[in-house]
Amino acid sequence: GNSVTQMEGPVTLSEEAFLTINCTYTATGYPSLFWYVQYPGEGLQLLLKATKADDKGSNKGFEATYRKETTSFHLEKGSVQVSDSAVYFCALSDGAAGNKLTFGGGTRVLVKP
Amino acid sequence: SAVISQKPSRDICQRGTSLTIQCQVDSQVTMMFWYRQQPGQSLTLIATANQGSEATYESGFVIDKFPISRPNLTFSTLTVSNMSPEDSSIYLCSVEYMSNEQFFGPGTRLTVL
Repeated sequence: GNSVTQMEGPVTLSEEAFLTINCTYTATGYPSLFWYVQYPGEGLQLLLKATKADDKGSNKGFEATYRKETTSFHLEKGSVQVSDSAVYFCALSDGAAGNKLTFGGGTRVLVKP
Repeated sequence: SAVISQKPSRDICQRGTSLTIQCQVDSQVTMMFWYRQQPGQSLTLIATANQGSEATYESGFVIDKFPISRPNLTFSTLTVSNMSPEDSSIYLCSVEYMSNEQFFGPGTRLTVL
């Protein structure tokens, strides 16, 4: 079956530091890949997505590239802000499975001023 | 993106009782899903709510415990039946709106005493 593995947190950074959250996946087909973010006390928001190999998703200064050869979709941001403190979830959607999402375990990020 | 609302936003219930959670979308959508997020955990898909037919449940979830209705393309309910403290979670509905993106409701935070 499908699965998503992402690095465990919490990740604690200083403001303006570089952020990387690793995400790897296992899927039987050709999945679409997503990053969702959950800010404290809020619901889940779609941050970015990529639908095929070598696609780069980007939003709010975050980027992730769909690497089929390494089955990875690592999230990066060059200079984090305190407002980026949140839990980040990597997920995949396999069209063969009806587009339901399989989530990674989530990574809590804390950015200190 | 779709605007999704859930009722109630939170509830505290006694064990052995049932709670019905409503999910309303501001536009017609084909796919609706129900997820559970246990405390400090990732999201797990409970079922796909199918309009006009029985929901499709994931492994480990059964209709007797989590009956789902989907009377039309904008509304669904999830009932958590015969609750125990282990059912304390956030329950989220999501919809697939376009381009296989899923958008999530704000969630229902359930505490079972």
